[in-house]
Formats: sequence, C-alpha cells, structure tokens
Amino acid sequence: EVQLLESGGDLVQPGGSLRLSCAASGFTFSSYVMTWVRQAPGKGLEWVSTIRGSGDYTHYADSVKGRSTISRDNSKNTLYLQMNSLRVEDTAVYYCAKEGDYDFEDWGQGTLVTVSS
Amino acid sequence: QSALTQPRSVSGSPGQSVTISCTGTSSDVGGYNYVSWYQQHPGKAPKLMIYGVSKRPSGVPDRFSGSKSGNTASLTISGLQAEDEADYYCCSYAGSYTLWVFGGGTKLTVL
Repeated sequence: EVQLLESGGDLVQPGGSLRLSCAASGFTFSSYVMTWVRQAPGKGLEWVSTIRGSGDYTHYADSVKGRSTISRDNSKNTLYLQMNSLRVEDTAVYYCAKEGDYDFEDWGQGTLVTVSS
Repeated sequence: QSALTQPRSVSGSPGQSVTISCTGTSSDVGGYNYVSWYQQHPGKAPKLMIYGVSKRPSGVPDRFSGSKSGNTASLTISGLQAEDEADYYCCSYAGSYTLWVFGGGTKLTVL
C-alpha cells in the first residue's frame, strides 16, 4: 500500500523559511516522479513543483520559482520542499503526490503552512 | 497560466446524472489527452477519479466517466449517491514550461 506522510508545516513569519518533508513507502520511490500541490484555505488546488525520479529534473510554478527548492533523497525515500522568503499568500495545505500516467495517483494527507506575523 | 474554468457548483438528486465541465485552451486541455479528475471530501486529500481523459483507476465506480471535446473536458457522474457529494477538480498537463494546471473546483451537492 502506497503511503505518503508529509511533515514540517508550521506557523512562520513573512520572509521566513521552512522545509517540508514527505516520507514515502509501499512503492519503489526512486522510480517515480513526485510533485508538491498546495491548497490555500477555502481555495482550489495549485501545482507547486515536480521532480523526476533521479532528481535530475525539477520544475516550479511561477508563484514559487526562485524561492523554493524541491529535492529528494532516494536512499531515505523522502521528498522535500525548501521554501524561503515566505509570503502570506503561501499559506496553504501542502500535499505531496506520486505521479502515475500523467496524473497524481496517490496523495498524502497534507501539512499546513501558515505565514503570518 | 490561468486556471481551468469549472462551474462553481452543480447539484442533482440521488439516482440522477450530473456533468461537470472543465474549459481550458489549446495549450492544455485541447493540446493533450492528459486530463485527470479528483474528488475531495472536506478535510481530506484529493483522490484520483479519472485519468487520461476517460480512464478509471481500479476501485473507482463505473458511474464516473470522463470525456473531452476540443478545449473542454467533462466529468459525468451517473446514478448519484450521497457519498458523491464533494469538491471535484480537473487537471491538465500544460506542456514543458507550465507542466500542470488545475481547475478552480466544483462543489457537487446531492439534494
């Protein structure tokens, strides 16, 4: 059974930094593209960032480009999202998702990031 | 890249059918057969319901079906059940720059 468990969400001040983690199990982690998707309170889903299985290819939404870094440690079956220069508008539940056939076939339960002074 | 356009809400009675539309452009929905649909109950993670425009993952009831015409994709739920009440999001691959774009979401109410 695929399991994705996010952690690292917290209350942080504007301009601060945070690193989110997503621990994966139940599949061969290194073989799969992984993605972060976020959802602001009461709002819709927004794609944030994607990383290839080998970690050699990363991609970012314009809203986080230059402020966020996606990475993975395949030896630890863990996905990361380092977020810097956080803004109020980054407040959201952040989900990690395992990609399938051009879709997001499995999702974690999410971790809440709140950016507020 | 703008979000895909979905109706904010739809409703139907148990046993009826409803269709949720998802309108994009030739750069996303119309350009690729990579439209997926997600169901999200309050406080829960999204769940994949349809992928590749019209394919159903194992375990998803065949009451759920997907289609596409031009720049508009659709999700049809037939034989509505109370547990279908949820938010539904479409998503499309949008090419090698933007990668993914989601719809704004549709709240389905089962009357």
